[in-house]
Amino acid sequence: DTAVSQTPKYLVTQMGNDKSIKCEQNLGHDTMYWYKQDSKKFLKIMFSYNNKELIINETVPNRFSPKSPDKAHLNLHINSLELGDSAVYFCASSQGTQPQHFGDGTRLSIL
Amino acid sequence: SQKIEQNSEALNIQEGKTATLTCNYTNYSPAYLQWYRQDPGRGPVFLLLIRENEKEKRKERLKVTFDTTLKQSLFHITASQPADSATYLCALDISTGRRALTFGSGTRLQVQP
Repeated sequence: DTAVSQTPKYLVTQMGNDKSIKCEQNLGHDTMYWYKQDSKKFLKIMFSYNNKELIINETVPNRFSPKSPDKAHLNLHINSLELGDSAVYFCASSQGTQPQHFGDGTRLSIL
Repeated sequence: SQKIEQNSEALNIQEGKTATLTCNYTNYSPAYLQWYRQDPGRGPVFLLLIRENEKEKRKERLKVTFDTTLKQSLFHITASQPADSATYLCALDISTGRRALTFGSGTRLQVQP
């Protein structure tokens, strides 16, 4: 009965490739998020979607594009991967301003 | 610019003692502050939320205080156990209600048996 699930858990790929990370939540929440946690463990917001509508788009390269096919899913597509994209990416969801539920992360490594 | 600082990167204490973690912020007046726990290889897990009009919140062995004048929150774990060892993160919504959290860098707590 996983609440927020991300796939894949690990992603190792070459520089320049395009990849996607998928996220699904079964909590019925109206808002979903993507965060990036870098090597220094700082967790930073990238995007948030409320009812399939983008409400936050922080300073993120436009190589990153979120896609929300429905309220329960928020996928992250990354074009032309760079070395600096190596990090752990977390998906989260919440209902309104209630506390957020996080997935266990996708560890992206760029070779 | 907004800064959220957690006073120490790491904290080592003996089992049974009280752990106290600090979160300080500047240039903002949040309506509420949250604390999360993160274990290695896992996502953050919500622990407690405290609102600006609340001085203190408790949940089992956990206690959070919120001083909006000092712009500081303290997070206490009483009767600490080795299982409490984890990284603890404080978080604020500084996105003017758009719900995106800004996190501190975390304090890694190690409870020695």
